[in-house]
Parts: sequence; C-alpha cells; structure tokens
Amino acid sequence: QVQLVQSGAEVKKPGASVKVSCKAAGYIFTRYAMHWVRQAPGQRLEWMGWINGGNGDTECSQKFQGRVTITSDTSANIAYMELSSLRSEDTAVYYCARELPTGHDAFDIWGQGTMVTVSS
Amino acid sequence: DIVLTQSPDSLSVSLGERATINCKSSQSVLYSSNNENHLAWYRQKPGQPPKLLIYWASTRESGVPDRFSGSGSETDFTLTISSLQAEDVAVYYCQQYYSTPITFGQGTRLEIK
Repeated sequence: QVQLVQSGAEVKKPGASVKVSCKAAGYIFTRYAMHWVRQAPGQRLEWMGWINGGNGDTECSQKFQGRVTITSDTSANIAYMELSSLRSEDTAVYYCARELPTGHDAFDIWGQGTMVTVSS
Repeated sequence: DIVLTQSPDSLSVSLGERATINCKSSQSVLYSSNNENHLAWYRQKPGQPPKLLIYWASTRESGVPDRFSGSGSETDFTLTISSLQAEDVAVYYCQQYYSTPITFGQGTRLEIK
C-alpha cells in the first residue's frame, strides 16, 4: 500500500528548530519528487519546497528566506523538512506530499500531517 | 507568484444537486510544451490531508467518482460536482503547479443545504 507516514506532533519555543520526517512505503522512493506543504489554522495551503527523490536536488520557497532545509535518506525512504528560527506564525500542520510521476505535476499521496506548535 | 482566487468562499447545495466552484488564476497556467493546464483540484475534510480529485485541469484521479469533473483553460477553471453526496462536505482547493512557488486558492467550503 502506497503511503506516507509522518513523525508526531511537536511543541517548540520561538527561535528553536523543528525537523519533521516523512517515511514512504509501497513505491520506489527515488522515482518520485516529494513536496512539503503547510497549513496554518484556518489558512490556505502553503507550499514550502520539494526534493527530487532520485538526485536529491531541492528547491525551497523564497518566503522562508533560507529557514527551511529539505533532505532525504534514500536508504531508509525518508524525507525530512527542517524549519529553523521558529516564530509563532509557524504554528501549523506540516504535510509531505508525493508528486505524480510524470514530473511537474500534482500531488497524489499525502502524509497524515504533523502539528507543530510554536509557543513560549 | 501566481495568485489563485476561488469563488465563492462558501457554498450551500442540496443533496443530489449540482455544485460549481470556480478558480481564477492571475496568469495563464497552460504549459506550451505539453499543451496541458497545470491546475489541480483537491478536497479536504476536517482533520484530514487534502485528497487529489482532478489534475491537468480535467483528468480525474484514479478512484475518484465520475460525479467530479474539471474544466477550463489558461486562467479560468471550474470544478463541478454533478450530484452532491453527503460525503462531499469539505473544503475544496485549486492548485497551480505551472511555476514555483506552487500556490493554492483560498478554499471553498461546501455544505449541505
């Protein structure tokens, strides 16, 4: 069964970093791109960046001004998203999502989401 | 950045009736190299991740009921649910993947009248 399983909820203080994992199962990890999307309470979905599952190339949204790092461990079929210098506005549910295999495409499989709360 | 604006923000429709949601893009998402519109539609139920319904503006994802259809081109798109079912109560989002940053509409909340 194709699925993405994310790590559990996190509570962080302002200024800290958080690293969310996304374990893929049921498909060949290196053949697909993985994206990260977040959703703050009551807000629209917000794209953060993506990683090429095959060669590890990444692209991140300029909105995050270098605060986000996306990596992967192909031996374990896991993608990671690390967000640093956390602030209260980063409180959100963070999702990983697999891109359809044709490239430059929509997201067909999503993780269950990881709630990250930033609070002092 | 490409801005997607959905209308209406909320919609109330009777069971079995048609529901129509619109998505307008600030620029064309028609990709000349493959002549496809890089636009998708998702449904998100409370506490769940989004679920892909339609991609390439009009291609139904595998397993999605045929009451869901997508249409439109370049900057104007529509998601139609031909006969509303109770399980369709959700928020619907359009997404453009024509260029990064990938962006989403603000969402349309669909309720039963």
